[in-house]
Amino acid sequence: EVQLLESGGGLVQPGGSLRLSCAASGFTFSNYVLTWVRQAPGKGLEWVSGIVNSGAGTFYADSVKGRFTISRDNSKNTLYLQMTSLRAEDTALYYCAKGRDSSNWFADSWGQGTLVTVFS
Amino acid sequence: EIVLTQSPATLSLSPGERATLSCRASQSVGSALAWYQHKPGQAPRLLIYDASNRATGIPARFSGSGSGTDFTLTISSLEPEDFAVYYCQHRNNWPLTFGGGTKVEIK
Repeated sequence: EVQLLESGGGLVQPGGSLRLSCAASGFTFSNYVLTWVRQAPGKGLEWVSGIVNSGAGTFYADSVKGRFTISRDNSKNTLYLQMTSLRAEDTALYYCAKGRDSSNWFADSWGQGTLVTVFS
Repeated sequence: EIVLTQSPATLSLSPGERATLSCRASQSVGSALAWYQHKPGQAPRLLIYDASNRATGIPARFSGSGSGTDFTLTISSLEPEDFAVYYCQHRNNWPLTFGGGTKVEIK
């Protein structure tokens, strides 16, 4: 059974940093693309970032480009999202999600999310 | 950036009725479109990928159609568990984007 477990969320002041982690199990981690998706309170889903299976290619939404960095450790089956220069509008539930394969970015498995709150 | 516009924003229907949800892209995405179901307190669930392919374990009452810029998700006969928010997403180019969602509520 595929499992994705996010951690690292919390309260942070504007301008601060957080690192989210997503521990994966139940599949061959290095064979799949991975993404982060967020949902702000009362809003819809927003795609944040994606990383190819090798880690060599990364992609970002314009709203986080230059502030967030996605990475993965295939030896630890773990996905990361380093978030810096956080803003109030980054407040959201952050989901990690597994793509359908090494090239299909549609997410067929999701974690339960970790909550990030940016407040002053 | 490709903008996905979903309509209607809210659909009020009764169990057993047919639901038809629309997703329109600001430029062609070919068949690179998916549909997700999202319920409060739960993770989103992939229903349809590449416009018309049902994901693993998805009931046959869910179907997707369309290509280019116009896509449709049809639920042939609503079950009580189908009342939720539905999102479309493309994977045609970067950045990937989601539509704003359609809430299917009980009439």
